[in-house]
Amino acid sequence: DTAVSQTPKYLVTQMGNDKSIKCEQNLGHDTMYWYKQDSKKFLKIMFSYNNKELIINETVPNRFSPKSPDKAHLNLHINSLELGDSAVYFCASSPRDSILNEKLFFGSGTQLSVL
Amino acid sequence: QQQVKQSPQSLIVQKGGISIINCAYENTAFDYFPWYQQFPGKGPALLIAIRPDVSEKKEGRFTISFNKSAKQFSLHIMDSQPGDSATYFCAASKDTGFQKLVFGTGTRLLVSP
Repeated sequence: DTAVSQTPKYLVTQMGNDKSIKCEQNLGHDTMYWYKQDSKKFLKIMFSYNNKELIINETVPNRFSPKSPDKAHLNLHINSLELGDSAVYFCASSPRDSILNEKLFFGSGTQLSVL
Repeated sequence: QQQVKQSPQSLIVQKGGISIINCAYENTAFDYFPWYQQFPGKGPALLIAIRPDVSEKKEGRFTISFNKSAKQFSLHIMDSQPGDSATYFCAASKDTGFQKLVFGTGTRLLVSP
């Protein structure tokens, strides 16, 4: 009954590979996000989707491509992985109406290590 | 450009003491200020949040103090417990209908027994 679940929890791969991280939420939320947390714990938004449509796209390299097949899923595909991509990636979701309910629900994170 | 500055980077408090974490923001359009708590291996979880129409909000042992003119807000943890040991993040956003939280750099709190 996990609210926001992401897989895998750990991902170790070589430079140049392509990898995907999957995220699913069962909260019925309309909006989903990807955040990146670097080695210094700094959290920064990467993307946000509302009802399968991209609404926030921060200055993220084109190698990162989010895909939302439906509003309960937001996957992150990364091409040509680089050493600097090593981080913990968090998926999150929130209700559409931020005035009434602003809470972000985070998944447990995917620790990506690029060797 | 760091829009939300958080201090201290780490904090050690004795059990029963008061933990205080401070944040300052630059963007006067921000109107929502949450604090998130993160335990190792877990995602951040909302702890408490405040809007600028009040100067203080208290939930149990956790209190946010907000100073709009100084563009500062702080988290106070009263009677700190070892179970409060975690990383705390302040954040801010504009209520545009979609959350685009800008996070502070985090404070690692250790409450010693």
